[in-house]
Amino acid sequence: EIVLTQSPGTVSLSPGERATLSCRASQSVSSSDLAWYQQKPGQAPRLLIYGASSRAAGVPDRFSGSGSGTDFSLTISRLEPEDFAVYYCQQYGTSPLTFGGGTKVEIK
Amino acid sequence: QVQLVQSGAEVKKPGASVKVSCKASGYTFTGYYMHWVRQAPGQGHEWMGFINPKNGVTDYAQKFQGRVTMTRDTSISTAYMELSRLRSDDTAVYYCVPSGNWAYYFDYWGQGTLVTVSS
Repeated sequence: EIVLTQSPGTVSLSPGERATLSCRASQSVSSSDLAWYQQKPGQAPRLLIYGASSRAAGVPDRFSGSGSGTDFSLTISRLEPEDFAVYYCQQYGTSPLTFGGGTKVEIK
Repeated sequence: QVQLVQSGAEVKKPGASVKVSCKASGYTFTGYYMHWVRQAPGQGHEWMGFINPKNGVTDYAQKFQGRVTMTRDTSISTAYMELSRLRSDDTAVYYCVPSGNWAYYFDYWGQGTLVTVSS
């Protein structure tokens, strides 16, 4: 199965700063079939990005995804207070679908 | 609007089975696969498999083969996930999540069902 490794595990930033989160796959992700989710405590995940770089409906344009093959990233251009959460990547190009372990974005 | 309403929390003893339901509304139930994803406390997410509500065909993650059964009742737009021979490490929140037939990312999530396995 494809193992997704997210880094860093936790990042401490201030509102207004830029966040860059990494997701590295153990083998190439088929057709850039990679998604990013945001999850807050006690809530279900929220889809942000699919197809590595396409924003889901209603997602602010401060969120952007990039990458291909084995290296992907999620960038939040200017952190808003509501952006402090845990972010997960997921590959859906190869069964079994797998998720990364998450990156927590916390307030500095 | 899409809604996925799951059954309530369950407490089970090791070795027992649990069956979680997911009632879908706001879209054509038979037009989208229904997946099940779980998240153990403080852990990441684990995909368990999916069912095609149109014909009942299933695809289970190898880890759960032999222990999980996914079914559906199209007359009431409801999907079910039954997990047997429960162990303590099956304690998790279980989510139902529909996807398109070709791209398995998840726009909509059920509210989650906490299953606690404890003696």
